[in-house]
Amino acid sequence: DSGVTQTPKHLITATGQRVTLRCSPRSGDLSVYWYQQSLDQGLQFLIQYYNGEERAKGNILERFSAQQFPDLHSELNLSSLELGDSALYFCASSETGGSNSPLHFGNGTRLTVT
Amino acid sequence: GDSVTQMEGPVTLSEEAFLTINCTYTATGYPSLFWYVQYPGEGLQLLLKATKADDKGSNKGFEATYRKETTSFHLEKGSVQVSDSAVYFCALRREGSKSTFGDGTTLTVKP
Repeated sequence: DSGVTQTPKHLITATGQRVTLRCSPRSGDLSVYWYQQSLDQGLQFLIQYYNGEERAKGNILERFSAQQFPDLHSELNLSSLELGDSALYFCASSETGGSNSPLHFGNGTRLTVT
Repeated sequence: GDSVTQMEGPVTLSEEAFLTINCTYTATGYPSLFWYVQYPGEGLQLLLKATKADDKGSNKGFEATYRKETTSFHLEKGSVQVSDSAVYFCALRREGSKSTFGDGTTLTVKP
């Protein structure tokens, strides 16, 4: 058990809809990261937060947004969903943003857009 | 930008065979290097790491040595087991930067 909790585990929704994925980081970890994993594109970095502030942005679409709350949990909002957004979305956390600090991953949310 | 290249899979081995999964990287500065493992239906888990040149990370019989001269971090295990079947990801991380992952290598070990 990594200590990172993601909800829900599975989500099935229709094109054009909006969903919210939630992540609780490991106790004591200040950094939260969101990754998208699809069969054809591997693990793609979306966005990182550190102690409530956005730290780095990756290949995150404008239809997607995220935030980290004062209690350090994070939410990833996906809107105007398209079929191609179907993927596994992982949240990870780390103690710091330093290079030595490994990531601890949740078990992911599997999003299916129909 | 940073990048990580892993040998393409899938890799299929018999139990007790020797495993090597190649990983090379491109990055400025002095990144830390990691191997993660993903079992079916789960998230990635840290397998081992090395934070500077010539460091050897090891865990559960797996080893990898940080080779700066060849920009490589190959994963090895002397005798694989069926329970090692999983997807293995090589990754790097520079100070103040995000982690960059390879595409993953699927390992299947047959009894």
